[in-house]
Amino acid sequence: AQKITQTQPGMFVQEKEAVTLDCTYDTSDPSYGLFWYKQPSSGEMIFLIYQGSYDQQNATEGRYSLNFQKARKSANLVISASQLGDSAMYFCAMSLMNTGFQKLVFGTGTRLLVSP
Amino acid sequence: SQTIHQWPATLVQPVGSPLSLECTVEGTSNPNLYWYRQAAGRGLQLLFYSVGIGQISSEVPQNLSASRPQDRQFILSSKKLLLSDSGFYLCAGRGQWGGSTGELFFGEGSRLTVL
Repeated sequence: AQKITQTQPGMFVQEKEAVTLDCTYDTSDPSYGLFWYKQPSSGEMIFLIYQGSYDQQNATEGRYSLNFQKARKSANLVISASQLGDSAMYFCAMSLMNTGFQKLVFGTGTRLLVSP
Repeated sequence: SQTIHQWPATLVQPVGSPLSLECTVEGTSNPNLYWYRQAAGRGLQLLFYSVGIGQISSEVPQNLSASRPQDRQFILSSKKLLLSDSGFYLCAGRGQWGGSTGELFFGEGSRLTVL
């Protein structure tokens, strides 16, 4: 079975500061992919960043980086230089090779509020 | 570019009434398609996914059903809605998109309120 855990229901950060959103996962599959999505209040899901289980380096996309610690089974999202527009729900998700990477399982999300 | 359109955006239905949500895909062929439901303040729950026309996999037993009559069309249905069916429904796709990461692209969502 696969499971994604996001233990922070809400996080607060001031504009221009960095923030880390936690994500831990549980799987026995050696090959998997980890994703982060942003959901603004409008509801659409926006893909942010991807990390493959065999990737040697942490993924980065602009202000987003993924702190991948395989032994700890964690895949935390780091947002640098927070902006007001970063206020949203953030979801961590995982897909597994044993399902042909066909399915994406999501965590319960973290609501981020960026203050001026 | 690849996009997903779903409708209606918002609907309010009485308990026991039928439901039909539809999504269509543009910009790719033979995509995997998915229906997710998001309860208020919760994460996304995978309901159904399809790897091709007429091929439906159900993840959660419930009174909902899905159909894929055409390659780029995915429909979520119910014959009789329950109060617990209220939520935000998202159609998603994965196909010849986004390079090799396999990320999903989502529609705008449909907010269903069952009274």
